Amino acid sequence: DAGVIQSPRHEVTEMGQEVTLRCKPISGHNSLFWYRQTMMRGLELLIYFNNNVPIDDSGMPEDRFSAKMPNASFSTLKIQPSEPRDSAVYFCASSMDDRANYGYTFGSGTRLTVV
Amino acid sequence: AQSVTQLGSHVSVSEGALVLLRCNYSSSVPPYLFWYVQYPNQGLQLLLKYTSAATLVKGINGFEAEFKKSETSFHLTKPSAHMSDAAEYFCAVRRTSGYSTLTFGKGTMLLVSP
Repeated sequence: DAGVIQSPRHEVTEMGQEVTLRCKPISGHNSLFWYRQTMMRGLELLIYFNNNVPIDDSGMPEDRFSAKMPNASFSTLKIQPSEPRDSAVYFCASSMDDRANYGYTFGSGTRLTVV
Repeated sequence: AQSVTQLGSHVSVSEGALVLLRCNYSSSVPPYLFWYVQYPNQGLQLLLKYTSAATLVKGINGFEAEFKKSETSFHLTKPSAHMSDAAEYFCAVRRTSGYSTLTFGKGTMLLVSP
């Protein structure tokens, strides 16, 4: 099992540009989560999907952030336009069932720097 | 709503010494509790989990944690620290019923000196 795969690992972009982060969950996992990690705020849940359907997006900070899961094996998190305060590490995680006693499997993260 | 509080943003120990990382939880319903470890430039890795079976839970790399309902605690311990244990550790909680997501603590950085 290749685990949760995120791309790119690092992204440097200029303020105002569109940024797209990608995630491939573990095959057979039906829940997918996007987290953001910063020194100031720690790990924050942005949005999660169950069976490709967004269940809770209350953590998405602004309308500039959007996420999609067109199928069970792919999800994107898009920031448009990006701002310097969006600089953080973005993690994708997947789980077999968000109502069960499973933990999450995390990807290696995408380190986003907006200059 | 559920939450966890990790006491101490940094803990320093000598190699071979006892490791104790503290986590207290708040939950209106019986919780599931987790400890994760994050090594530099990596994602979070599950160390162990409490899912209402045995209160003493053993995890990977010699770590264990004990669920104490009376103290609302789930502290992480290891009898003898190794240099490779240096990392950031996160406690997390989730509800046992209904749709629920993991809520993480702020993390504790474990520093191990020779």
